[in-house]
Amino acid sequence: EAGVAQSPRYKIIEKRQSVAFWCNPISGHATLYWYQQILGQGPKLLIQFQNNGVVDDSQLPKDRFSAERLKGVDSTLKIQPAKLEDSAVYLCASSPRTGGNSPLHFGNGTRLTVT
Amino acid sequence: GESVGLHLPTLSVQEGDNSIINCAYSNSASDYFIWYKQESGKGPQFIIDIRSNMDKRQGQRVTVLLNKTVKHLSLQIAATQPGDSAVYFCAPVTGNQFYFGTGTSLTVIP
Repeated sequence: EAGVAQSPRYKIIEKRQSVAFWCNPISGHATLYWYQQILGQGPKLLIQFQNNGVVDDSQLPKDRFSAERLKGVDSTLKIQPAKLEDSAVYLCASSPRTGGNSPLHFGNGTRLTVT
Repeated sequence: GESVGLHLPTLSVQEGDNSIINCAYSNSASDYFIWYKQESGKGPQFIIDIRSNMDKRQGQRVTVLLNKTVKHLSLQIAATQPGDSAVYFCAPVTGNQFYFGTGTSLTVIP
């Protein structure tokens, strides 16, 4: 099966600019996650979708981050305006089932550098 | 919440030796545990998982051990190869929440 697709692979922007990331999960996977991974750390959950509904966005900095999954398939994550501390890899993951009963499948991420 | 710690943030082993990576977790409600491998420039890749009703599970060259009493799990890699060099994360799962620690960086010395 095709894996989780993410684009772009790399993005460099200046602080206060906006940026968007795209994710296409594995076909048929109902649950989609966005994680932020700062260099040297483990992934940190930003938001979790179940189909096109938000399950958990408690750790999403909503003043600058937004995400949507309008048709319950692909998803976009946006940052506006970006700050220096947003420099990180943004990982998308998907899972076929609800609940923590199966592993997450990750894409290769988008590496964001904010200057 | 969940606190996930990994013993020894870095580990170096000789090629052909066995590797053991340890992980401590804090939430006794965690009922599913996953080990991931992350190579440079890639996303985490699933290695092996174990449910809380088991204490050992084996895969190809890998074994996961779970001790729920002390909230500890380990990943054992047999006959470690250069391709095993990566960062390894354990991810305890509580409900539908996946938690990741800092990871252990494994370096295999040829």
